[in-house]
Amino acid sequence: AQSVTQLDSQVPVFEEAPVELRCNYSSSVSVYLFWYVQYPNQGLQLLLKYLSGSTLVKGINGFEAEFNKSQTSFHLRKPSVHISDTAEYFCAVGNSGAGSYQLTFGKGTKLSVIP
Amino acid sequence: EAQVTQNPRYLITVTGKKLTVTCSQNMNHEYMSWYRQDPGLGLRQIYYSMNVEVTDKGDVPEGYKVSRKEKRNFPLILESPSPNQTSLYFCASSPTGRIGETQYFGPGTRLLVL
Repeated sequence: AQSVTQLDSQVPVFEEAPVELRCNYSSSVSVYLFWYVQYPNQGLQLLLKYLSGSTLVKGINGFEAEFNKSQTSFHLRKPSVHISDTAEYFCAVGNSGAGSYQLTFGKGTKLSVIP
Repeated sequence: EAQVTQNPRYLITVTGKKLTVTCSQNMNHEYMSWYRQDPGLGLRQIYYSMNVEVTDKGDVPEGYKVSRKEKRNFPLILESPSPNQTSLYFCASSPTGRIGETQYFGPGTRLLVL
């Protein structure tokens, strides 16, 4: 079984400050990892994903995440946030094995950017 | 424009009155899925479908039905809604359902069951 823990349910941050949203996962097999963003009153859209290769993954809107296998983490970072980054962010994990079709989502982290 | 659409976007109903939430995608995707989103619980998968006439249970299927008669449509049916099904529902699709693929989400349907 796989699971995802997003350690912070809410993160307030001032505009132009850096931010890190934390995500830890557990799985008995190799995983794929994702970050999705949900802007107010919208569906989710993909920010970035780790499938293999470089452990530093760059996504849209200046976000990046680093896969750390030893710490089973996939934290999301942005060096300077903007008001428009106010949204809810979901980390998700999927089993990379053949025949696996289910993603497990974390409970979400609400990022509030303060002007 | 490639998109996943859901209807209705907002729905208020009463306990026991059957309802259907429609989902349609125009990307020729084989895989479609329904999730519910509840505060503090994140997204949980209700049902998914690998292709026409192929459906399977997700993590929280109780009280829900689905059908996949056409590739583009994947309706969610609540035959006897109860207040604990008050939630925000999302439909999603991806090309084949393999885990590495990006899932494309609809705008959501907010359901209130009185």
